[in-house]
Amino acid sequence: GNSVTQMEGPVTLSEEAFLTINCTYTATGYPSLFWYVQYPGEGLQLLLKATKADDKGSNKGFEATYRKETTSFHLEKGSVQVSDSAVYFCALSQAAGNKLTFGGGTRVLVKP
Amino acid sequence: NAGVTQTPKFRVLKTGQSMTLLCAQDMNHEYMYWYRQDPGMGLRLIHYSVGEGTTAKGEVPDGYNVSRLKKQNFLLGLESAAPSQTSVYFCASSYPFGTGPSGEQYFGPGTRLTVT
Repeated sequence: GNSVTQMEGPVTLSEEAFLTINCTYTATGYPSLFWYVQYPGEGLQLLLKATKADDKGSNKGFEATYRKETTSFHLEKGSVQVSDSAVYFCALSQAAGNKLTFGGGTRVLVKP
Repeated sequence: NAGVTQTPKFRVLKTGQSMTLLCAQDMNHEYMYWYRQDPGMGLRLIHYSVGEGTTAKGEVPDGYNVSRLKKQNFLLGLESAAPSQTSVYFCASSYPFGTGPSGEQYFGPGTRLTVT
């Protein structure tokens, strides 16, 4: 079956530091890939997505590139802010039912 | 638009009690989902629905039942709560595959359930 593996947290950074969260997946065929973000006390929000190989998703300064050869979708941001403190989830989706398979989540804490 | 709403926000149950969680969406989405979130395990799909009157099992369906009598509502029931069902429950909705943003789901704010 499908699975998503992402680095465990927590990741603690200083403001303006570079952030990378690794994500790899196992799936048959060509899934769509997503990063969702969960701010404290809230539900998940879509951060960015990519639907085919070599696509780059970007939003709010975050980027991730769909790498089929390495089955990866790593999330990066060049200069984080305190407001980026959240839990980040990597996920994949395939056709049947639009169901999402999530990684375990990575908590990021940005200190001023 | 309210998006996806969940009722209640918090609940404490004793072992063996029953309850129903309500999810409502106002985006006219065909698909709806119930997930549970446990520390370090991400979100796991409990049940989902691809249209009014239809439901299907997800990854962890045991101990839960669902109903989708109206397109905008998706109910999650616990008939006899157990401490292992202590979790945060999220509802989500989406367009069908092939229409709208591919695979994107819209989430509610969650219900924190504690079973003692």
